[in-house]
Amino acid sequence: DIQMTQSPSTLSASVGDRVTITCRASQSIGTSLAWYQQKPGKAPRLLIYKASSLESGVPSRFSGSGSGTEFTLTISSLQSDDFATYYCQQYNSYSPYIFGQGTKLEIK
Amino acid sequence: EVQLLESGGGLVQPGGSLRLSCAASGFTFSIYAMSWVRQAPGKGLEWVSGISGSGSGDITYYADSVRGRFTISRDTSKNILYLEMNSLRPEDTAVYYCAKHPGIYCNRGICYSLLDWFDPWGQGTPVIVSS
Repeated sequence: DIQMTQSPSTLSASVGDRVTITCRASQSIGTSLAWYQQKPGKAPRLLIYKASSLESGVPSRFSGSGSGTEFTLTISSLQSDDFATYYCQQYNSYSPYIFGQGTKLEIK
Repeated sequence: EVQLLESGGGLVQPGGSLRLSCAASGFTFSIYAMSWVRQAPGKGLEWVSGISGSGSGDITYYADSVRGRFTISRDTSKNILYLEMNSLRPEDTAVYYCAKHPGIYCNRGICYSLLDWFDPWGQGTPVIVSS
């Protein structure tokens, strides 16, 4: 199975900061990577698909990059609404789909 | 607007059974692949099971942790996705989400589902396995 390693597990930042979350795959997955945002008690929300495509309705301060085994999610200028947990997910191999362990973005 | 609404969760004893439902609306349900994803309390996301669209043969897929105990199916006449869960264990305790795989391609009048990312997700239904 493909393993996904997300870092950091926790990130403390302030409104206006630029933050980057990294996701590494144990083998190449091309650009078959998605990013989700989840707030407490809510379902995950798709932010990015195909590693760098922004889902409709998602603010442009979110961006994704990478291919192969290393990927990043960047928030260019943190807003208060962005404090949440973020997950990456590979879909290159559907048996099984694997999520990263999550990055909790906290207010500093 | 695509909507997914789960139901059927609850408290069940170890070894028991439960059937989850996910009512879908706003899209041609039979064409698209669907999945169940769960989240144990305070933990991350775990994919549980998926089913391809009708054009792709309604093929089913399972995580190793549930294979042989859980069964995914769909009723296209009612636009409902199901997850039949048997031999439940305390480690199956989680919020269960259904999710749509948005990708399809159509060729000569047949549409084939893609097992891609998850969008959208339902609001989730909680399952607690405890004596």
